[in-house]
Amino acid sequence: QQQVKQSPQSLIVQKGGIPIINCAYENTAFDYFPWYQQFPGKGPALLIAIRPDVSEKKEGRFTISFNKSAKQFSLHIMDSQPGDSATYFCAAQGGSEKLVFGKGTKLTVNP
Amino acid sequence: SQTIHQWPATLVQPVGSPLSLECTVEGTSNPNLYWYRQAAGRGLQLLFYSVGIGQISSEVPQNLSASRPQDRQFILSSKKLLLSDSGFYLCAWGRSGRAGGEQFFGPGTRLTVL
Repeated sequence: QQQVKQSPQSLIVQKGGIPIINCAYENTAFDYFPWYQQFPGKGPALLIAIRPDVSEKKEGRFTISFNKSAKQFSLHIMDSQPGDSATYFCAAQGGSEKLVFGKGTKLTVNP
Repeated sequence: SQTIHQWPATLVQPVGSPLSLECTVEGTSNPNLYWYRQAAGRGLQLLFYSVGIGQISSEVPQNLSASRPQDRQFILSSKKLLLSDSGFYLCAWGRSGRAGGEQFFGPGTRLTVL
């Protein structure tokens, strides 16, 4: 119940493509869903987050889509660039101080 | 603005030696503090978190311990390191009083146990 399942494990796209990373959860107490971006050797950085009262949130080229009934949320990266190559983690939190993380998706954007 | 520091940045230690990693946060008061470990190419494993001075919650039983001697200081320790303790250790902070909110990560410490 405390898990967040993330897919795919790795993803390769061409520059300009739209990679999509998906996450699913079971715990209906979750009410905060952030995405983190991590470059090699660095700490994860908060990228964008959503709460279940909205179905979509955009920040620049990054969009979260949220489906409360299906208990799924996804990250879309528009017009992807080689600089977007990183590992992306979804997470969920609700009713406690802890974040539950997905296992991560390694994204490679080829020039 | 808030800043989180970790040191050292890298550490190579022999098996059986002690460990002390330090994390400090600037620009906020009474933060929630977290220690995570990330094995090579793997996800984030929560080790400890703290909601206040002297208050430590342990998530994974192991030979590590954590302490919070000051409001914005979080320390990860071990008396005797194991090979399996190698990894990338990350400290994070979040705003207190919010059951659901952002966490901000530090730059991490790369620990290699030989």
